[in-house]
Amino acid sequence: GAGVSQSPSNKVTEKGKDVELRCDPISGHTALYWYRQSLGQGLEFLIYFQGNSAPDKSGLPSDRFSAERTGGSVSTLTIQRTQQEDSAVYLCASSPRLVKDTQYFGPGTRLTVL
Amino acid sequence: KQEVTQIPAALSVPEGENLVLNCSFTDSAIYNLQWFRQDPGKGLTSLLLIQSSQREQTSGRLNASLDKSSGRSTLYIAASQPGDSATYLCAVKGGGATNKLIFGTGTLLAVQP
Repeated sequence: GAGVSQSPSNKVTEKGKDVELRCDPISGHTALYWYRQSLGQGLEFLIYFQGNSAPDKSGLPSDRFSAERTGGSVSTLTIQRTQQEDSAVYLCASSPRLVKDTQYFGPGTRLTVL
Repeated sequence: KQEVTQIPAALSVPEGENLVLNCSFTDSAIYNLQWFRQDPGKGLTSLLLIQSSQREQTSGRLNASLDKSSGRSTLYIAASQPGDSATYLCAVKGGGATNKLIFGTGTLLAVQP
């Protein structure tokens, strides 16, 4: 079946602009995660959603970052007033159960802020 | 705060050699540990998942072990091939209320033909 998909694959934007990154998880997966992979920082957790529960936002680096998940499926990560340090690859993952299951990762969105 | 470290940061071996990648973590209260591979410009592919109650998992030429009490895991790759060249990441899923993965720094593996 189809895996996790993300769009766009690449995004170049100017400093100060807002961007939206999209994630389509595997159908039926209840948990969805966003991670960021940047040079010098490795791969770090941003936010996760599980069903109708309140999301765990503990990894969001600032209030310029927000995410939503509509209808328990598609998720959008929004970065407002982008800064150059936001340049990174943003990875989305989904899993069928919250604990003890493998997370299936999408190919990522490479964001470059000029 | 959980910290995950991988050694070595980079490794180059000739084709056919057996090799071991190391992962260590500071907090032994984990639910599971996973090994992933990442190819340049691509997402992550899960290789092996070890539950906290397990000691090892095997898949083909790959064997991963877990010693939770000492905070260590190893990924053993037998008879390495050029197609194994990639970055290998270990990640732990913590105990308690958190469900996020904490990733290690990665090992960049190059298998020379």
